[in-house]
Amino acid sequence: QVQLQESGPGLLKPSETLSLTCAVSGYSISSGYYWGWIRQTPERGLEWIANVYHSGTTHYNPSLKSRVSISLDTSKNQFSLTLNSVTAADTAIYYCAREDVKIVEIGGVSYGYNWFDPWGQGTLVLVSS
Amino acid sequence: DILMTQSPSSLSASVGDRVTITCRASHSIHSYLNWYQQKPGKAPQLLIYAASTLQTGVPSRFSGSGSGTDFTLTITSLRPEDFATYFCQQSYTPRTFGQGTKVEIK
Repeated sequence: QVQLQESGPGLLKPSETLSLTCAVSGYSISSGYYWGWIRQTPERGLEWIANVYHSGTTHYNPSLKSRVSISLDTSKNQFSLTLNSVTAADTAIYYCAREDVKIVEIGGVSYGYNWFDPWGQGTLVLVSS
Repeated sequence: DILMTQSPSSLSASVGDRVTITCRASHSIHSYLNWYQQKPGKAPQLLIYAASTLQTGVPSRFSGSGSGTDFTLTITSLRPEDFATYFCQQSYTPRTFGQGTKVEIK
C-alpha cells in the first residue's frame, strides 16, 4: 500500500522560502507515475501546484511557475517542493499526491487519463510576520 | 486555465436520498474529469476517474457520467458516511478543481 507523508516548517515569515518534502513508502518513485503537490485554502479551494514524472520531467502551474520548483530524491524515495518569496497568500494546507495515468486507445486515438491517488494527510503552512 | 464550476455549493439531504452534483467545465475536457470526497480534517480521496470509472473499493452507490463540458456525480442512496464535501477536477495542465459541494445532513 502506497503512503505519502508531507513534512515542512509549519510557520514562515513573508519573503522566506518554503521547502516541503513528501516521503513515499510502499512504492519506488523512480519506477513510475507522476508525483505532485496541491494546496488548499478556504478562499481559493484546491490549487494544483506542480508535478514531476518519475523520469524527472516537471510541469508547473503558470500562476506559480516563477516561484516554484519540484524535484525527486530517489535515494531517499521522496520528492520536494520549493516556493520562493512567500506571502500571506501562500498560507494553506499543502498536500502531496501520486498522480496515476492510464492510456486508453479509442478509434486509433490515444487518451491519457490522470488522477490523484493517494494523497498525503497534508501539512499546514502559515505565513505570518 | 479551465474553470470548473460545481452546483450546488451545498445541499441538505437525508439518509437514503438520491443526490446529484453537477460540474461544468469552461471548455471541453473530453472525459478528463475526476471526483473526490473530502471529510473534515482529511485529504481528498478519489472516487471516480475518467468521468465514470469507479475507483477500486468505492461503493457502487457512487456513479459518474458526462463528457465534454457537463458532468454529474450521483449517490443513489445516501449513507451517514457520505456526508462530506465533493470536488471535481479536470486533468489538462494546469489541473483545476471545482469549488466543492458540501453535502450536509437535513
